[in-house]
Amino acid sequence: GDSVTQMEGPVTLSEEAFLTINCTYTATGYPSLFWYVQYPGEGLQLLLKATKADDKGSNKGFEATYRKETTSFHLEKGSVQVSDSAVYFCALSDASGTYKYIFGTGTRLKVLA
Amino acid sequence: NAGVTQTPKFRILKIGQSMTLQCTQDMNHNYMYWYRQDPGMGLKLIYYSVGAGITDKGEVPNGYNVSRSTTEDFPLRLELAAPSQTSVYFCASTDTGYGNTIYFGEGSWLTVV
Repeated sequence: GDSVTQMEGPVTLSEEAFLTINCTYTATGYPSLFWYVQYPGEGLQLLLKATKADDKGSNKGFEATYRKETTSFHLEKGSVQVSDSAVYFCALSDASGTYKYIFGTGTRLKVLA
Repeated sequence: NAGVTQTPKFRILKIGQSMTLQCTQDMNHNYMYWYRQDPGMGLKLIYYSVGAGITDKGEVPNGYNVSRSTTEDFPLRLELAAPSQTSVYFCASTDTGYGNTIYFGEGSWLTVV
């Protein structure tokens, strides 16, 4: 079945460092891909998404490109801030019509001042 | 601008008790979901619904029941609570269509003692 694999955390960075969180997926067809962010004590909220190959999703300085050839959707940010500390989830929505969303296990990011 | 609303936010149950987690959305979404998130883990799908009167099991349905009598409401019932059901529960919804964003409630923290 469909699955999402993302790098294990925690990831600890200094402020203004470059961030990459890896995400790869297994799916039939052409799923939509998402990154969600969860701040402490809160629910998940959409960070960015891409619905077809080579699309780039971007928001708040974060970017991810839908790479079908490598089945990847890595999250990047050029300069992280303390306020970016959170748990990041990669997810896919399958294209088969069942409207199930599959989430990765999450990667905790801690940014130090 | 309510979105997805869950109640209660926190609850402590004794082993063997039952309770219902309430979820309502005001976006007229057809698809609704219940996930659980164990500490440090990703999201696991418990049940989902594709419309009023239609529900189906997810990955971890044992010990839970759902109903969907209206488009807006999707309550989750825990029968005979067990310590293994200690978790954070998230309700979510999305609209019909490829690549749509899934929206989450703020979560319900449940402890079974």
